[in-house]
Amino acid sequence: EIVLTQSPGTLSLSPGERVTLSCRASHSVSSTHLAWYQQQFGQSPRLLLYGASNRATGTPDRFSGSGSGTDFTLTISRLEPEDFAVYYCQHYGRPPFPFGQGTRLEIK
Amino acid sequence: QVQLVESGGGAVKPGRSLRLSCAASGFTFNTSAMHWVRQAPGRGLEWMALIWFDGSNKYYPESVQGRFSISRDNSRNTLYLHINSLRAEDTAVYYCARDGDGWTSWGQGTQVTVSS
Repeated sequence: EIVLTQSPGTLSLSPGERVTLSCRASHSVSSTHLAWYQQQFGQSPRLLLYGASNRATGTPDRFSGSGSGTDFTLTISRLEPEDFAVYYCQHYGRPPFPFGQGTRLEIK
Repeated sequence: QVQLVESGGGAVKPGRSLRLSCAASGFTFNTSAMHWVRQAPGRGLEWMALIWFDGSNKYYPESVQGRFSISRDNSRNTLYLHINSLRAEDTAVYYCARDGDGWTSWGQGTQVTVSS
């Protein structure tokens, strides 16, 4: 069973900064089925990226993704106030569709 | 636009059962596989169940096998999750989500609280 580990757990940053979030898989996975979600406080998750690097409809181009095998990253080139949220990676190839434990972005 | 609306949550005692519903609109429900995902208070996302577009196949994580049952009524554009023998650790917000290349559509969630 694939386990996804995200790091760091929490990041404190300022608007305008660049940030890279990490998602590491316990076994090599297909990048075709690697997604990133954003969850604002009290809201449902929102798909940001699928297939590791493809932006979902409505995802601003300051969000980008990359990676293959066991190591994947989500980069936000310049943080906007609305980007401070929790981010989850997920492998959606087949059950049990694991999620990472999340990375929380906080305003410094 | 795509809309998923969950209902059926509430406060229940341990050992009881509950049926959650997810009403779908804005897309062709009977061609979409669907999921249930839950989120315990202060915790991350946990996948709970998948049902194929026609209901022919169903999948669950091992942790809930035998207690959770997913179903759908394509004539009513509605997805269900039946939970038996509720436990305190089932306390969570339950979301339905549409399968796809990344799960693009999620409901707002329904809260289930299990407490004596």
